[in-house]
Amino acid sequence: DIQMTQSPSSLSASVGDRVTITCRASQSISSYFSWYQQKPGKAPKLLIYAASSLQGGVPSRFSGSGSGTDFTLTISSLQPEDFATYYCQQTHSTPFTFGGGTNVEIK
Amino acid sequence: EVQLVESGGDLVQPGGSLRLSCAASGFTFSSYWMHWVRQAPGKGLVWVSRIETDGSATTYADSVMGRFTISRDNAKNTLYLQMDSLRAEDTAVYYCARSGATRDFDYWGQGTLVTVSS
Repeated sequence: DIQMTQSPSSLSASVGDRVTITCRASQSISSYFSWYQQKPGKAPKLLIYAASSLQGGVPSRFSGSGSGTDFTLTISSLQPEDFATYYCQQTHSTPFTFGGGTNVEIK
Repeated sequence: EVQLVESGGDLVQPGGSLRLSCAASGFTFSSYWMHWVRQAPGKGLVWVSRIETDGSATTYADSVMGRFTISRDNAKNTLYLQMDSLRAEDTAVYYCARSGATRDFDYWGQGTLVTVSS
């Protein structure tokens, strides 16, 4: 199985900060990689697909980069509605594993 | 508008069975792979199972293989998860999700809670 190691597991940031979350796959997954945002009590929401493509309706302050084994989610200027948990996922091969999540909290 | 609506979650005793349903609307259901993903209370997301468009191919996480069965009825636009021999560790919110050509999970249902407890 492909393991997805996400870091950090939590972070505190202020509105307006630039935030970076990383995810490493245990083997190459090409660009079969996505980022999701989840708020408490809600379903996950797709932010980034194919490693760097912005899902429709997602603000442009979100961006993704990487390929192979190392991937990054960047929020260029954190907004109040961005405080949530973020998950990475590989869909290269089953089981389609998720990272452990990054909880972005208000500083 | 794409909608996925899960139902069937309940409190069940260990060893019991439950069938979850996911009603799809707003898209051509038969053209998409469908998945079940679960989330235990306070924990992260865990992929459970996948079914391809015509139901001929299915895949499972090791933790549920042999106990859970995914299926679909394309005439009814509905996805199912038959859950047998349930264990306490199966307690979670279960989400259905759609994946497209790039395999990302672009639409999710609101989830249904399964609690396994005596």
